[in-house]
Amino acid sequence: DAGITQSPRHKVTETGTPVTLRCHQTENHRYMYWYRQDPGHGLRLIHYSYGVKDTDKGEVSDGYSVSRSKTEDFLLTLESATSSQTSVYFCAISEQGGGELFFGEGSRLTVL
Amino acid sequence: RKEVEQDPGPFNVPEGATVAFNCTYSNSASQSFFWYRQDCRKEPKLLMSVYSSGNEDGRFTAQLNRASQYISLLIRDSKLSDSATYLCVVRGNTGTASKLTFGTGTRLQVTL
Repeated sequence: DAGITQSPRHKVTETGTPVTLRCHQTENHRYMYWYRQDPGHGLRLIHYSYGVKDTDKGEVSDGYSVSRSKTEDFLLTLESATSSQTSVYFCAISEQGGGELFFGEGSRLTVL
Repeated sequence: RKEVEQDPGPFNVPEGATVAFNCTYSNSASQSFFWYRQDCRKEPKLLMSVYSSGNEDGRFTAQLNRASQYISLLIRDSKLSDSATYLCVVRGNTGTASKLTFGTGTRLQVTL
């Protein structure tokens, strides 16, 4: 399996608090992604990165920011969490940016 | 109309049966197609890419029909371990995975 880990795996927080999710890879893949998965929706892209300090928005980026200061780490930040951001968040990596992604185990976030 | 549509199921089949899922997509310019498998409360994992000529991997066969804009997945000799949700993924005509669209999945339950 690809070396990709997410932390924390579970988090419960309150509305208005900041939250940071971390994705760490040991594969040296160029591309990294953050998705969220909600019932009734397919996986939806939040942000992605195509290199260190190179990031771009996905289809559901409002309320989220990302940073990638090293190849191996991709951080997702919710500046002020809302209940609508309760979800399962998946990080994924890709060597060439095509459709073959390797996913982390997911981070389950609950915003009360 | 959703960009990628799948029958959510569940498909309940006995062990040893053959089962097929279809997935329709709306963008005729879509370039690449994939099937992912997702076990309950786990991360998605790439099952197979779908090539224009169709492809087979053991008990799994994937087909692409560009004229009718659908892809299919056929599972022969179903095993209990095949029970999962199968996600159809379509990639648009750009060079990054930012254009991946995930279906909501078809749930398969294989029973004794």
